Amino acid sequence: ETGVTQSPTHLIKTRGQQVTLRCSSQSGHNTVSWYQQALGQGPQFIFQYYREEENGRGNFPPRFSGLQFPNYSSELNVNALELDDSALYLCASSSGTPISDTQYFGPGTRLTVL
Amino acid sequence: GENVEQHPSTLSVQEGDSAVIKCTYSDSASNYFPWYKQELGKGPQLIIDIRSNVGEKKDQRIAVTLNKTAKHFSLHITETQPEDSAVYFCAAGTGFQKLVFGTGTRLLVSP
Repeated sequence: ETGVTQSPTHLIKTRGQQVTLRCSSQSGHNTVSWYQQALGQGPQFIFQYYREEENGRGNFPPRFSGLQFPNYSSELNVNALELDDSALYLCASSSGTPISDTQYFGPGTRLTVL
Repeated sequence: GENVEQHPSTLSVQEGDSAVIKCTYSDSASNYFPWYKQELGKGPQLIIDIRSNVGEKKDQRIAVTLNKTAKHFSLHITETQPEDSAVYFCAAGTGFQKLVFGTGTRLLVSP
């Protein structure tokens, strides 16, 4: 069974640029959630995708957008990068049922905005 | 919305001692409470979780207790080992939507 994978591992961008982060969900999982983890803080929920549709969103501006593909992999896009967007971006996959909602996290993508 | 508070922020114990981390949550609708361990440079790893229809759950050296009335839940690690050193996060959630995380506890186990 393959776990959650994310790419790239690290990324450096400059303010105003755009970035795309990728996530492959665990085998058999149809739900992907994205979180932002600032240094020294707990993860904060960005949004969740369930069967290719957005299924809940946290307190993040519209320049944070996402996509889920038919194979349930997902992308997180951030436009007009700001310095405060520097963080570890985590994706988590789950099987998408109220009974089995355990979220398994990937290793994350470390984004640095200069 | 949900708010999760976690204490202490740092915890130092000697190898073999027990460690207890406590969390409180605000939303009575929350029904799922996982605990994650995060090592440096890695993503959070689920170590144990509990649902609101259960008061206690144990897995070897790790146990979690839940008090729904007081909106408290706690992580207990017995016989700590140096490899238990990491940052631990509690979280609260409803169904399979977002998890709200605490601010983390840095556990240091000294040999």
